[in-house]
Amino acid sequence: DQQVKQNSPSLSVQEGRISILNCDYTNSMFDYFLWYKKYPAEGPTFLISISSIKDKNEDGRFTVFLNKSAKHLSLHIVPSQPGDSAVYFCAGMNYGGSQGNLIFGKGTKLSVKP
Amino acid sequence: KAGVTQTPRYLIKTRGQQVTLSCSPISGHRSVSWYQQTPGQGLQFLFEYFSETQRNKGNFPGRFSGRQFSNSRSEMNVSTLELGDSALYLCASSLDSAGGSPLHFGNGTRLTVT
Repeated sequence: DQQVKQNSPSLSVQEGRISILNCDYTNSMFDYFLWYKKYPAEGPTFLISISSIKDKNEDGRFTVFLNKSAKHLSLHIVPSQPGDSAVYFCAGMNYGGSQGNLIFGKGTKLSVKP
Repeated sequence: KAGVTQTPRYLIKTRGQQVTLSCSPISGHRSVSWYQQTPGQGLQFLFEYFSETQRNKGNFPGRFSGRQFSNSRSEMNVSTLELGDSALYLCASSLDSAGGSPLHFGNGTRLTVT
């Protein structure tokens, strides 16, 4: 049973436009969510996180929105840049638990075209 | 500050053999986690160590094992290798294992089993 789902394996966006990456989760115990970005031949790097007590968290060009009732979160990148082309992983956890046991989605490959 | 270092970067083994992968966490980080990344399954949690103790374990067979040393360095071992063990193995460290302390990933060890 996939607890974190990223239903779009890939997304292509024009430079300067908005990229929206979606993520759904099924585990009601999750109350903390993170996004990681991964370039080929590198490990994932932390991008942004959100606690379930918030519905939005913003960091520069990156904003994560959380809809608890729908068990859905999304990552918005505005404006998108070619350097943002990477695989994006959504992950969930119970904040009181161990972050070493993050449950990841399968990732969405974002391509930003110049 | 040096990042998470994983050795070796690439490894080719034959079915039935065993393999040991090594991970040096960021200095001061006491939590080390291991993940397996495959194209079909995304990032899957293997286990987490904190202060030399296994804190969490994922849903992998007993052929997968690990340990952590007093200097927080960690190793994982896979015995009786199978073709399906071919994957990118990622190590991640964090200050502690609670939420709010993002994981820092190494660049991984690419294991190919023939």
